[in-house]
Amino acid sequence: GDSVTQMEGPVTLSEEAFLTINCTYTATGYPSLFWYVQYPGEGLQLLLKATKADDKGSNKGFEATYRKETTSFHLEKGSVQVSDSAVYFCALSDLGDGNNRLAFGKGNQVVVIP
Amino acid sequence: GAGVSQSPSNKVTEKGKDVELRCDPISGHTALYWYRQRLGQGLEFLIYFQGNSAPDKSGLPSDRFSAERTGESVSTLTIQRTQQEDSAVYLCASSEGGAAETQYFGPGTRLLVL
Repeated sequence: GDSVTQMEGPVTLSEEAFLTINCTYTATGYPSLFWYVQYPGEGLQLLLKATKADDKGSNKGFEATYRKETTSFHLEKGSVQVSDSAVYFCALSDLGDGNNRLAFGKGNQVVVIP
Repeated sequence: GAGVSQSPSNKVTEKGKDVELRCDPISGHTALYWYRQRLGQGLEFLIYFQGNSAPDKSGLPSDRFSAERTGESVSTLTIQRTQQEDSAVYLCASSEGGAAETQYFGPGTRLLVL
């Protein structure tokens, strides 16, 4: 079935550092790809999405490019702030195999230190 | 407008008791999803509603779990004879249509089974 793999472990970095969170996927069809963010004490929020190959999703300084050749959707931000501390989830949806649901990665805790 | 709401926000119950969790989706959203998030894990899909029908129940972990939706609005997730492994955050999401549409998440119900 469809699945999403995120890099293992939390990410700790200093303010203004460059952030990359790796995400790769396996899907039978042509999925849409998403990054969701969960800030401390809050619910899941959509951060950005891309619906076809080579699309770039962007929001709040974050970017991710849909790479079909490498089946990846890595999240990047050039200069993180303390307020970016949160858990980030990569997800896909794929109507191609008839499933109407999001498949999520395990999430990455990001801690930004002042 | 109002987002997805869920109640209760927290529920503590004893092993063997039944619990009901409620989800109020965004008005007009025809698709509704239930997910489960265990501690330190990603989200697991449970069930999907399109209108009042549930075309995909494949994520329900056992026959102790059931869900219904009425009036193309409110949904309830029922867990019978709760077990300690049912402890998790139960999240509801809604969207305007199929899985490629953005899903908007509620704050979740945190269930603890003692």
